[in-house]
Amino acid sequence: KNEVEQSPQNLTAQEGEFITINCSYSVGISALHWLQQHPGGGIVSLFMLSSGKKKHGRLIATINIQEKHSSLHITASHPRDSAVYICAVRMYSGGGADGLTFGKGTHLIIQP
Amino acid sequence: DTGVSQDPRHKITKRGQNVTFRCDPISEHNRLYWYRQTLGQGPEFLTYFQNEAQLEKSRLLSDRFSAERPKGSFSTLEIQRTEQGDSAMYLCASSSGRGLAGELSYNEQFFGPGTRLTVL
Repeated sequence: KNEVEQSPQNLTAQEGEFITINCSYSVGISALHWLQQHPGGGIVSLFMLSSGKKKHGRLIATINIQEKHSSLHITASHPRDSAVYICAVRMYSGGGADGLTFGKGTHLIIQP
Repeated sequence: DTGVSQDPRHKITKRGQNVTFRCDPISEHNRLYWYRQTLGQGPEFLTYFQNEAQLEKSRLLSDRFSAERPKGSFSTLEIQRTEQGDSAMYLCASSSGRGLAGELSYNEQFFGPGTRLTVL
């Protein structure tokens, strides 16, 4: 079982819809990242959070540490939001380990 | 350019050849990470440097893989005797290991565009 699970794996929606992507993890973490990857490979960091909620433009990320769950929301979705969204965690380690553990990604397509 | 850069962007090689990739992090970032991503999968951690010290290596990093960051700035990742299973996108990321007050801190990672390796 992967330590970081994302759902759904694929999501197709119409422009303007409210989008939710979920991430569950099974280990203790010190930080969770939401990343965006466009075709061709480039990865952009959207959020890094360890508690609560963050908002940037139309994007909102929440995390519930007790439930080991995070969600990424996109309001008023647009075709340019089409991309793969990846959840990644920095596992809590007394040794200071910094390498991220990634989910497999959610492939989002927003149709006009 | 103030982002993370990687070179080359694409590399095609024959099985058994050695390849070397370079990563130039954001200049003030002291932490540098290498990841590998195969088609349809999320990235996987390979190794991590703080300044010139290699502090962490994944079990994915076989003896054929070696990474260096000799002066704490750019880093190289070498794969010896490449195999077809090494075909992947190799991603580099960097971050600052310091908070606003100069204390040790874990911060956001910034990714480069990746090097796509194809082993024939």
